[in-house]
Amino acid sequence: YEVTQPPSVSVSPGQTASITCSGDRLGDKFVSWYQQRAGQTPVLVMYQDTKRSSGVPDRYSGSNSGNTATLTISETQPMDEADYFCQAWDSTTVIFGGGTKLTVL
Amino acid sequence: QVTLKEAGPVLVKPTETLTLTCTVSGFSLNNARMGVSWIRQPPGKALEWLANIFSNDERFYRASLQSRLTVSKGTSKNQVVLIVSNMAPVDAGTYYCARIPGYCGGGGCFTGDYMDVWDKGTTVSVSS
Repeated sequence: YEVTQPPSVSVSPGQTASITCSGDRLGDKFVSWYQQRAGQTPVLVMYQDTKRSSGVPDRYSGSNSGNTATLTISETQPMDEADYFCQAWDSTTVIFGGGTKLTVL
Repeated sequence: QVTLKEAGPVLVKPTETLTLTCTVSGFSLNNARMGVSWIRQPPGKALEWLANIFSNDERFYRASLQSRLTVSKGTSKNQVVLIVSNMAPVDAGTYYCARIPGYCGGGGCFTGDYMDVWDKGTTVSVSS
């Protein structure tokens, strides 16, 4: 099983960024999202499709339906610039997407 | 406070075995449905899941690496050990351990399908 992310997304400060994660019937699985700023450890930002991890601002939201899960960041700030990885389970196997580099121009 | 801390070599030679130990605090590996996951990241590349071990000692491995991976609970009850045999240059990168939370409620206990706390990682090089 594989999930696919766009390699990069660019957004202007204050605008909304959407990062997608696609896989066969992905909507039937729970999807989590991790943020990894440059040189840092990944941090959980969203789990079970729509639940924000502790301390994550409500500018972050998630959805998952059909074949696509989406992480949406509204009012994007320079501090949101990072790599974002989606993650799902396929039976007992953990699957990560290839990552999306979010650039805040 | 939940923390995980790795220990292990930063340099191994090709064909050698890598042994990493993850020491956890702030939670028990024996808590219902709790688990620890091992993930690695080659330089500049994506996260790659390697293995999971759970409180009931169930273990699961990445299929393509299963013959080279061993995960176990350490001699200390708050430790998890990852062994990667026959290391090669392509195995270089940052290795992370992370907690898979377990929780009880609604008449049962469940394993979370995410990794909520990660350690800082160990960067491993493979060179003779």
